[in-house]
Amino acid sequence: GAVVSQHPSWVICKSGTSVKIECRSLDFQATTMFWYRQFPKQSLMLMATSNEGSKATYEQGVEKDKFLINHASLTLSTLTVTSAHPEDSSFYICSARAGAFGTDTQYFGPGTRLTVL
Amino acid sequence: AQSVAQPEDQVNVAEGNPLTVKCTYSVSGNPYLFWYVQYPNRGLQFLLKYITGDNLVKGSYGFEAEFNKSQTSFHLKKPSALVSDSALYFCAVRDRGGGYNKLIFGAGTRLAVHP
Repeated sequence: GAVVSQHPSWVICKSGTSVKIECRSLDFQATTMFWYRQFPKQSLMLMATSNEGSKATYEQGVEKDKFLINHASLTLSTLTVTSAHPEDSSFYICSARAGAFGTDTQYFGPGTRLTVL
Repeated sequence: AQSVAQPEDQVNVAEGNPLTVKCTYSVSGNPYLFWYVQYPNRGLQFLLKYITGDNLVKGSYGFEAEFNKSQTSFHLKKPSALVSDSALYFCAVRDRGGGYNKLIFGAGTRLAVHP
């Protein structure tokens, strides 16, 4: 199957700093990438959807100025958590899809655990 | 609006026994349905999907799922459970409205397979 990587796998930062998480599709070109957040023992919450070369579409309640998403190429998307606070601590998972059709499979990265002190 | 429900928070099964993880959906039009598995501190792994065709879909690791249109269900099954199958399982439906065809996930079901 298709492989999606994330870097870093975990990060600890101080409150007020910014953290960048990378998501890469390794063996396919991803026209669309998704960013999710998962709290312990809960389902995935979609934060935003991005298409290569265009602005991300954020879900209701997600602060676009706080969670900056850049989909610079067909294999790379980044999520930057700006001015991080302890409540931003979470497990962030990206996902990538090769096509735009509903039948296309989404493949997920291994996740990044962010801890804000 | 599209939605998916997983009525069981946890399913317990003995190793070697058949397992079923339940999923029901609500969609307008034909559904696109997916199952994913998540191991601790990992992302989701794709198991299988139903788009059209045979109601019984076979996927990875010996899993299969049966699409039942009349009952609006897409239950995940495996004939003989392994301890290594213990994980968190998510059912998802494709949201075909609003663009981007994003996935809508159920709450997840934790499967515990006991030796």
